Amino acid sequence: DAGVTQSPTHLIKTRGQQVTLRCSPKSGHDTVSWYQQALGQGPQFIFQYYEEEERQRGNFPDRFSGHQFPNYSSELNVNALLLGDSALYLCASSLELAGTGNEQFFGPGTRLTVL
Amino acid sequence: AQSVTQLGSHVSVSEGALVLLRCNYSSSVPPYLFWYVQYPNQGLQLLLKYTSAATLVKGINGFEAEFKKSETSFHLTKPSAHMSDAAEYFCAVTNNNDMRFGAGTRLTVKP
Repeated sequence: DAGVTQSPTHLIKTRGQQVTLRCSPKSGHDTVSWYQQALGQGPQFIFQYYEEEERQRGNFPDRFSGHQFPNYSSELNVNALLLGDSALYLCASSLELAGTGNEQFFGPGTRLTVL
Repeated sequence: AQSVTQLGSHVSVSEGALVLLRCNYSSSVPPYLFWYVQYPNQGLQLLLKYTSAATLVKGINGFEAEFKKSETSFHLTKPSAHMSDAAEYFCAVTNNNDMRFGAGTRLTVKP
């Protein structure tokens, strides 16, 4: 059973460029969340997708956008990259069941470096 | 709003000694609480979770945590540290949508 997979593993971009990160959830999961983890910090919630719609969003600008496909996979897009966007981007998947605490399973992350 | 605070950004213990990593939470509703571990250049792995069933929660690798409502705490413990426990540990709280993480505690295990 494949867990959460993310691509690419590493990415180097320059300021002002745009980037797309991809995530495939754990088999059977229908909800995908994205997190940004800057060096030496805890993950910060970007947004969550369920039923192909953004259900909740953290404190991130509109430059950060996403999409969920019918097969539950997801993309994170970041426009007009800034140096401060350099971070590890984590994708987590979960199953929408009330009362379970929605345990999230994390992928290995994509390391984005903005020069 | 919900949040967690991890006390101590770095904890160092000797191999075989007790591990205690502290986490306090703030939540307006009964929380779901989690401890995750992160090894260098890897994603997060779930150690254990509290979902209001039992206050003492046992996880993987010999870790456990106790939910104390009166102290709003969910501290992580392990009776005897092993060299392989050296990693970054994160406490997290969720309301079933977004998950809020603490800043993390780096655990160092000395031989």
